[in-house]
Amino acid sequence: GAVVSQHPSRVICKSGTSVKIECRSLDFQATTMFWYRQFPKQSLMLMATSNEGSKATYEQGVEKDKFLINHASLTLSTLTVTSAHPEDSSFYICSASPIPGSEDTEAFFGQGTRLTVV
Amino acid sequence: GEDVEQSLFLSVREGDSSVINCTYTDSSSTYLYWYKQEPGAGLQLLTYIFSNMDMKQDQRLTVLLNKKDKHLSLRIADTQTGDSAIYFCAESIGANQAGTALIFGKGTTLSVSS
Repeated sequence: GAVVSQHPSRVICKSGTSVKIECRSLDFQATTMFWYRQFPKQSLMLMATSNEGSKATYEQGVEKDKFLINHASLTLSTLTVTSAHPEDSSFYICSASPIPGSEDTEAFFGQGTRLTVV
Repeated sequence: GEDVEQSLFLSVREGDSSVINCTYTDSSSTYLYWYKQEPGAGLQLLTYIFSNMDMKQDQRLTVLLNKKDKHLSLRIADTQTGDSAIYFCAESIGANQAGTALIFGKGTTLSVSS
């Protein structure tokens, strides 16, 4: 099946610094990618929808200036957590959606990034 | 708003069948999914069902969908210790085409004892 690669898988950063997480679709083009966040023992919550070539759409309660999303190509979306604080520590997962019209029914997920802010 | 509910824990013995239940609220959802997550790992798609189906079987997995009651279940036959994980039920948002954003339940932790 299709592969979505997320990097890094784990990152520890100091409070106040910024961290960039990459999400790549390896064998298909994705006009849309989704960023989720998962707190311990909780479900995945959609943070934002990343659209290639246009601004991301953020869910209610998600600060767009804090979680910067760039979807510069059909195979790469990045999420930058700016001025990270300990409460931003979480598991971030991306998923990629093939170009509309595809018969694929699966949302392909990356392996996730465990962010710890100290 | 849309919501997906599932029980939090299920404990079974090896060799028994496991049934994980889920209810959802968005009747326009086109696809419903079951994902598996092992500790510290990402999500693995187990199976999905299109909303106009009421059953889908894939080897040890059987998905039942009751669209009237908005109830989805996942049955794992001959459960093995390797099936121990968290299982998430998810629905596609609205009546969009496949591959859209998903709404997830909180996950059911399946514990399999030998």
